[in-house]
Amino acid sequence: NAGVTQTPKFQVLKTGQSMTLQCAQDMNHEYMSWYRQDPGMGLRLIHYSVGAGITDQGEVPNGYNVSRSTTEDFPLRLLSAAPSQTSVYFCASSYPSRGGTEAFFGQGTRLTVV
Amino acid sequence: DQQVKQNSPSLSVQEGRISILNCDYTNSMFDYFLWYKKYPAEGPTFLISISSIKDKNEDGRFTVFLNKSAKHLSLHIVPSQPGDSAVYFCAARSGTASKLTFGTGTRLQVTL
Repeated sequence: NAGVTQTPKFQVLKTGQSMTLQCAQDMNHEYMSWYRQDPGMGLRLIHYSVGAGITDQGEVPNGYNVSRSTTEDFPLRLLSAAPSQTSVYFCASSYPSRGGTEAFFGQGTRLTVV
Repeated sequence: DQQVKQNSPSLSVQEGRISILNCDYTNSMFDYFLWYKKYPAEGPTFLISISSIKDKNEDGRFTVFLNKSAKHLSLHIVPSQPGDSAVYFCAARSGTASKLTFGTGTRLQVTL
């Protein structure tokens, strides 16, 4: 049971380059989200999706794009990488419940922009 | 404007004693609160949650208390074990599990 899988685990980009962080889940969860973790800042929501074809912005969406063509996949695109996007990125998925259902997180992608 | 705050960046507790991690929030619309545990180089893993209509939830060694009037919650770990050493994040949900607001985390070290 893989859960939430993120690739790659590590990436170094040059300023201005673009790339896609991959996220896949095999739990048939409707909800998926992307967070970034920075020192002293906790995890901040970038974009989220409540189902295939539906996405919305979180707290820090600038410089990132997302799409959700299938339930399983939720890629995060960096359009033109900047040093301020150096961070650890986490993808999460969860059930669409109004109860206390927790989000399941992937292992993270550590991105460095030089 | 940080809606979820963990004011203690670190905490050191002896093995066998109680660990108390605190969290404050400002948004009255939060309806669920969750605690996550994170080891280095891993993603956060869910620990325990509490609904805003409850004041206590217990799961084994872990108990979360919610004081809604003070907008404060705490996580109690009894007894603390060395394997509990990790960063603990408090998170709050407003209506949907796809949007969590996290605190900045507290690093717990359980010493022998």
